[in-house]
Amino acid sequence: DAKTTQPPSMDCAEGRAANLPCNHSTISGNEYVYWYRQIHSQGPQYIIHGLKNNETNEMASLIITEDRKSSTLILPHATLRDTAVYYCIVTPNAGGTSYGKLTFGQGTILTVHP
Amino acid sequence: KAGVTQTPRYLIKTRGQQVTLSCSPISGHRSVSWYQQTPGQGLQFLFEYFSETQRNKGNFPGRFSGRQFSNSRSEMNVSTLELGDSALYLCASSFSQGGTYEQYFGPGTRLTVT
Repeated sequence: DAKTTQPPSMDCAEGRAANLPCNHSTISGNEYVYWYRQIHSQGPQYIIHGLKNNETNEMASLIITEDRKSSTLILPHATLRDTAVYYCIVTPNAGGTSYGKLTFGQGTILTVHP
Repeated sequence: KAGVTQTPRYLIKTRGQQVTLSCSPISGHRSVSWYQQTPGQGLQFLFEYFSETQRNKGNFPGRFSGRQFSNSRSEMNVSTLELGDSALYLCASSFSQGGTYEQYFGPGTRLTVT
């Protein structure tokens, strides 16, 4: 699986947009970008994923650059409850040795402050 | 729809003992993955089961084993516990057979080995 690089920490004011970057310069054509987050003492929570088009759901938007070497997760109106560790994961959406396996890095600690 | 449940939530064991953790996936999900989370190593993949078959395995010693039942419920077992096995053990379920990584995590079992 391609390696990802994320800033270790970021701050955001409540009500503002939080933009979390992820670099995945070695991504290959069959690999998707997934975002998960983990609020303290809870299991990780799926947020969104994409291949090459931008994606949006009720939680967030995912912007993937045209060359697919980086992406940005956008939380449009951050709240205190969005304080968590955010993980960017790149993985093929197929089976084989990747069945059921998510490779988590260190992620970005997002702190939303009042 | 009920989420992923894990039992017990907390467990204290002594070195050398064995332990069995249980995971009930979301109804209709047939894939169950297990992860270990420690402060030093982060989230690491243990193994994945689908239709009672282990399809993928992470880099853990043979003391770590698992199984899946016909109703998709899964158990993992750790024999001859070591202090380093103290961790949060998470299971995640997924609907897709093909390996999509939209996984839904349980709250985890916090294992302490003394």
